Amino acid sequence: EDKVVQSPLSLVVHEGDTVTLNCSYEVTNFRSLLWYKQEKKAPTFLFMLTSSGIEKKSGRLSSILDKKELSSILNITATQTGDSAIYLCAVEGGGGGTSYGKLTFGQGTILTVHP
Amino acid sequence: AAGVIQSPRHLIKEKRETATLKCYPIPRHDTVYWYQQGPGQDPQFLISFYEKMQSDKGSIPDRFSAQQFSDYHSELNMSSLELGDSALYFCASSITGYTEAFFGQGTRLTVV
Repeated sequence: EDKVVQSPLSLVVHEGDTVTLNCSYEVTNFRSLLWYKQEKKAPTFLFMLTSSGIEKKSGRLSSILDKKELSSILNITATQTGDSAIYLCAVEGGGGGTSYGKLTFGQGTILTVHP
Repeated sequence: AAGVIQSPRHLIKEKRETATLKCYPIPRHDTVYWYQQGPGQDPQFLISFYEKMQSDKGSIPDRFSAQQFSDYHSELNMSSLELGDSALYFCASSITGYTEAFFGQGTRLTVV
């Protein structure tokens, strides 16, 4: 069974801190790993990591994929209160050849940034 | 930019009633996915369609069915609703093999 595990489940920090969120996976036919930020409603896309793009950076956020260890980390530097959200890791793959896009999600990490 | 549109945004139904959720993907996206997210849980994959054909099936109950129409919009039909069906239902769309999944705002279904 495909599995995605995130840690920690919950994290509370102060503004300006740096945080590292972890995601490990066991998925057949791995295609990509995605990070999403979920506030009140829909998950919004942050990064997609594949075999050909194992490191991504956007502003204060960066992410690395370790295909050997079957894991990824999401780093957020100089955190702000607006970063408070649930961060979801999802892996695309699993099943047969028609499973493009099918995502298996982790439980999410609830990040709370205090002023 | 156009996004994935879901309707309705909120829905309250009684037990044993039927509900229909609609999803309009981003133009030119050929694949639609449905996810169910219970309170405090991660999204669970229900079903997906590629070019109007069912492409994959996850943990979708037999009481639920879905289809994708010629204009690529999709509908999730839920019958004999149970209290446990109360959740946020997300639709996502993508261009298969080329883009990540973009999510709609979700439909919050409450079964009372």
